[in-house]
Amino acid sequence: QSALTEPASVSGSPGQSITISCSGATTDVVSYNFVSWFQQHPGKAPKLIIYEGNKRPSGVSNRFSGSKSGNTASLTISGLQSEDEADYYCCSYVGSDTWVFGGGTKLTVL
Amino acid sequence: QVQLVESGGGVVQPGGSLRLSCAASGFSFRSHNMHWVRQAPGKGLQWVALKSYDESYENYAESVKGRFIVSRDNSKNTLSLQLNSLRLEDTALYYCVRGDGSPTYFAFWGQGTLITVSS
Repeated sequence: QSALTEPASVSGSPGQSITISCSGATTDVVSYNFVSWFQQHPGKAPKLIIYEGNKRPSGVSNRFSGSKSGNTASLTISGLQSEDEADYYCCSYVGSDTWVFGGGTKLTVL
Repeated sequence: QVQLVESGGGVVQPGGSLRLSCAASGFSFRSHNMHWVRQAPGKGLQWVALKSYDESYENYAESVKGRFIVSRDNSKNTLSLQLNSLRLEDTALYYCVRGDGSPTYFAFWGQGTLITVSS
């Protein structure tokens, strides 16, 4: 069982914005503010798109943004494009040199 | 550019052993913590193990502690994972991952190597 909870699926039309939530099973998990997000296309390795809550690696589109409110971290994708269709995973450092992932969210672009 | 190339996967019987390797290039390997993360077929991601940049420290997920051993050779830019007492539930694609920052986040991923535990 994942320590982080994500919706199993979300969908949106091209040009729209969507948000994927990531909630900790305990208050400590997301409060660390070391949440990262990964995009994974079928048959491909995960790709880092957000780290430390709201930072984007070089080369990642500014259509991807991260935020946190209380015990929930969120990934927002604005101006949805067909190539955004993928699985998205959140991940949090939970102390003592251990990390946990969410179960993943399948994004469908309608 | 950063490259992480895993090898060593295959089919193994329950209780068996296997050794994975990851060849790193395109960055200063000795400056980065390295991780193994796995993904069971059709399932999500699970962090497996950490080896510190200076080879002095490691840590493991509870599910593999006592069975898996992570090591690295900074002179050869290689990360390894020795998997012992394998179980059916260890079947997964194993990714070699470079850590950045402190605490580290999973910045770059290899393409993975598949381990299938089956009788």
